[in-house]
Amino acid sequence: DGGITQSPKYLFRKEGQNVTLSCEQNLNHDAMYWYRQDPGQGLRLIYYSQIVNDFQKGDIAEGYSVSREKKESFPLTVTSAQKNPTAFYLCASSEEGAWNQPQHFGDGTRLSIL
Amino acid sequence: DAKTTQPTSMDCAEGRAANLPCNHSTISGNEYVYWYRQIHSQGPQYIIHGLKNNETNEMASLIITEDRKSSTLILPHATLRDTAVYYCIVSASGYALNFGKGTSLLVTP
Repeated sequence: DGGITQSPKYLFRKEGQNVTLSCEQNLNHDAMYWYRQDPGQGLRLIYYSQIVNDFQKGDIAEGYSVSREKKESFPLTVTSAQKNPTAFYLCASSEEGAWNQPQHFGDGTRLSIL
Repeated sequence: DAKTTQPTSMDCAEGRAANLPCNHSTISGNEYVYWYRQIHSQGPQYIIHGLKNNETNEMASLIITEDRKSSTLILPHATLRDTAVYYCIVSASGYALNFGKGTSLLVTP
């Protein structure tokens, strides 16, 4: 089945530690996205990538980093500079020409601080 | 992208039509209206989108007013599985979607 796989489902981070969240898609989509969701809130865009080896900051990029070395993969690193990383992280992808193509989402990763 | 305004919550009886309103009075001519929903603890699911014409698919209908300043998502026969948060989003690019707080729809037996 085609889709987006996020791993792990739950992740715990110690203070001062970097962690990387995985996002893989087999939909052959060009664009990929990372969102953060806090309890009772909507989604906020962290980074997005329209094509391999290119990505743009979203509204809340500080304390996060991404890479896009392969079309199917868009990992997100939560660095120690992100002081409040506890949240639900969602990855999405869409076909080229995003204005007319829906975004498909994974099932998310819940990150907590130990 | 234009801002949207949605009611915080709504109720609907199972089997009845659920009509979810959205105001987007500052929408520009090249901006689309998108609807997504999010069932608790899952990733959002795309429902439908449109520019100015009304749209219908297997999930829902989207009615956009002639002046495009508001729209309504219609779930024709709501079921308990339609209980979710529904997001109305306006965007020209489709890339940087602004998911606000949405409308929490509760479908009751």
